[in-house]
Amino acid sequence: IAGITQAPTSQILAAGRRMTLRCTQDMRHNAMYWYRQDLGLGLRLIHYSNTAGTTGKGEVPDGYSVSRANTDDFPLTLASAVPSQTSVYFCASSEQGVTGELFFGEGSRLTVL
Amino acid sequence: RKEVEQDPGPFNVPEGATVAFNCTYSNSASQSFFWYRQDCRKEPKLLMSVYSSGNEDGRFTAQLNRASQYISLLIRDSKLSDSATYLCVVFYGNKLVFGAGTILRVKS
Repeated sequence: IAGITQAPTSQILAAGRRMTLRCTQDMRHNAMYWYRQDLGLGLRLIHYSNTAGTTGKGEVPDGYSVSRANTDDFPLTLASAVPSQTSVYFCASSEQGVTGELFFGEGSRLTVL
Repeated sequence: RKEVEQDPGPFNVPEGATVAFNCTYSNSASQSFFWYRQDCRKEPKLLMSVYSSGNEDGRFTAQLNRASQYISLLIRDSKLSDSATYLCVVFYGNKLVFGAGTILRVKS
C-alpha cells in the first residue's frame, strides 16, 4: 500500500541521547515535512524539504536536523534530546507543496526522560 | 492571539444531529483553507478543502467568510464514525498553520 512509513512508532529516550526518526514515502512526492503535535497546540512545522537535496527550517527547528539525500527518505535527528521534545512527530509529504493535500505517516510517539 | 483558533470542545452530540464548528484566523492575507480529520492516536487526513463559494461533500459542508475571517464545517446526520478531532488549516505566506482541533463525540 502506497504511503508514508515512520519508525519507530514509539520510543522512550534518556535526555542527552541522540535519536533519529525515520520517514520513507513511496509516492514520489517532491515535498516532505516534519511536524510535532502537542496537546492543546496545533501541528507545528519543524523542518521541510521542497525537493531532494534541499531543506528548510519551519516554525520550531531548534534541536532538530534533517537531511534529504533522495526523494523517498527524510529522517529527523535529535542531536541531544531534551524533555521538551517529548511529543508526537508526524512526517508528511505532498505532491503540490503546502497548497495541496498533505499525506501523513502514522506518527512517532517520543518520550524524553 | 493564535493565528488559527478553534473551540476545543468536546462537542457531544447524538447520532443524527447536525453540528457545526467554527474556526477563526488572524491573517487577512490567508489564501487557502482546509479541514483535516484526525482519529484518536492516528494521523490527520484531509477531509475537504474550503472554497470561497462554499462547498459540500455528502453530509459535510464547508464555508468561508473572508470578511469575518472564519471558516465553518457543518456535519449533518452525524454518525458514530464521525467521532474524531477536526483540524482547521490555513495557508498563507507559504506556510500552513494548523488549529489545535475541535473534538467531536457522536453518541448512540
